Amino acid sequence: DIVMTQSPDSLAVSLGERATINCKSSQSILYSSNNKNYLSWYQQKPGQPPKLLIYWASTRDSGVPDRFSGSESGTDFTLTISSLQAEDVAVYYCQQYYSTPYTFGQGTKLEIK
Amino acid sequence: QVQLVQSGAEVKKPGASVKVSCKASGYTFTAFVIHWVRQAPGQRLEWMGWINAGNGIPKYSQEFQGRVTITRDTSANTAYMELSSLRSEDTAVYYCAREAMEYWGRGTLVTVSS
Repeated sequence: DIVMTQSPDSLAVSLGERATINCKSSQSILYSSNNKNYLSWYQQKPGQPPKLLIYWASTRDSGVPDRFSGSESGTDFTLTISSLQAEDVAVYYCQQYYSTPYTFGQGTKLEIK
Repeated sequence: QVQLVQSGAEVKKPGASVKVSCKASGYTFTAFVIHWVRQAPGQRLEWMGWINAGNGIPKYSQEFQGRVTITRDTSANTAYMELSSLRSEDTAVYYCAREAMEYWGRGTLVTVSS
């Protein structure tokens, strides 16, 4: 199974500042046929299901604010929130869908400093 | 609009089985895969398997192989996840999600307790 490891486990950022969450896959999740990394990012608030933010490592889902962005470098992936808003307080998960079983990171809890 | 409506919370005894439903609307049910994902208290999300709603063929995580059965009823636009031989560690919220996981049900809490 592909192991997804996120860092840090928790993060406190001031309103308006940048938040950066990292995710590393235990093996490549890049399909050479389409040159895409099979990596998604989700936001989960208490009592709610996860919400898809980004897929293909860097494509924002419909309606996701452009302060959310994803980047990739080999097996390292980053979710960046450029200017933290109060409504961004949540747990964030990365997930690979390159091969089954699809696997998720352990989550990063983002709070306001 | 796309909606996935799940069945209500369940309380089961160890060794029992539970069957959770996920009724889809707002799209062509048979055109997409339905995933099942669970989340135990304080734990990461865990993918259990999927079903191709078109041909009915499931795919299971080895972690649950032999204990999970995912089916669908095209006449009811509904997918089902049945988990057997329940143990306390199966206490979790069980979610269904459409193929790209862009749409999720609100979750079904399954509590396993004697």
